[in-house]
Amino acid sequence: GENVEQHPSTLSVQEGDSAVIKCTYSDSASNYFPWYKQELGKRPQLIIDIRSNVGEKKDQRIAVTLNKTAKHFSLHITETQPEDSAVYFCAATTGANNLFFGTGTRLTVIP
Amino acid sequence: DVKVTQSSRYLVKRTGEKVFLECVQDMDHENMFWYRQDPGLGLRLIYFSYDVKMKEKGDIPEGYSVSREKKERFSLILESASTNQTSMYLCASREGPRNEQFFGPGTRLTVL
Repeated sequence: GENVEQHPSTLSVQEGDSAVIKCTYSDSASNYFPWYKQELGKRPQLIIDIRSNVGEKKDQRIAVTLNKTAKHFSLHITETQPEDSAVYFCAATTGANNLFFGTGTRLTVIP
Repeated sequence: DVKVTQSSRYLVKRTGEKVFLECVQDMDHENMFWYRQDPGLGLRLIYFSYDVKMKEKGDIPEGYSVSREKKERFSLILESASTNQTSMYLCASREGPRNEQFFGPGTRLTVL
């Protein structure tokens, strides 16, 4: 099955700096890559996703890039704010019924 | 605007007890999932269901079973709870494989 690896496991940045979280996947048939954010004590929620027919997608301060050849995708957060502090999960799927999640990155934005 | 609910936020059980965790979604989704979340291990899939009375094993099904008698309800059962099943359990539902997956608030289960 699919194997998704996520790095780093923890990340601390100063407020206003950028943060980058990287994920690799093993199954070249994977074609949908969502990112979920889980704030402390809350449920994971989708923040952005990308399909394999595009290389980049942006939504305000958040962007995701996809390199199908290298089988990796990344989440970029610019101008970080304290409310960006959370655990972020990447995921991948081939279109079967399962999402395969990475192990998560705990992002801390230092005011 | 609650879409996925779980029967309990916190639960404390004794070793050997039978435990039921229930999940209800109001979005008419075909697919429902149970995950456990442990520090450093991310979200691990226990079981999933893509239709009423249908179930499939996920990555860590040992010690668990599930039931889906109605489309909106998906139950996770620990037949004989053990201490290593102390964890956060998250239910989720989704319409299709490339649609947003909605999570419940989680049940933090402690087995003593």
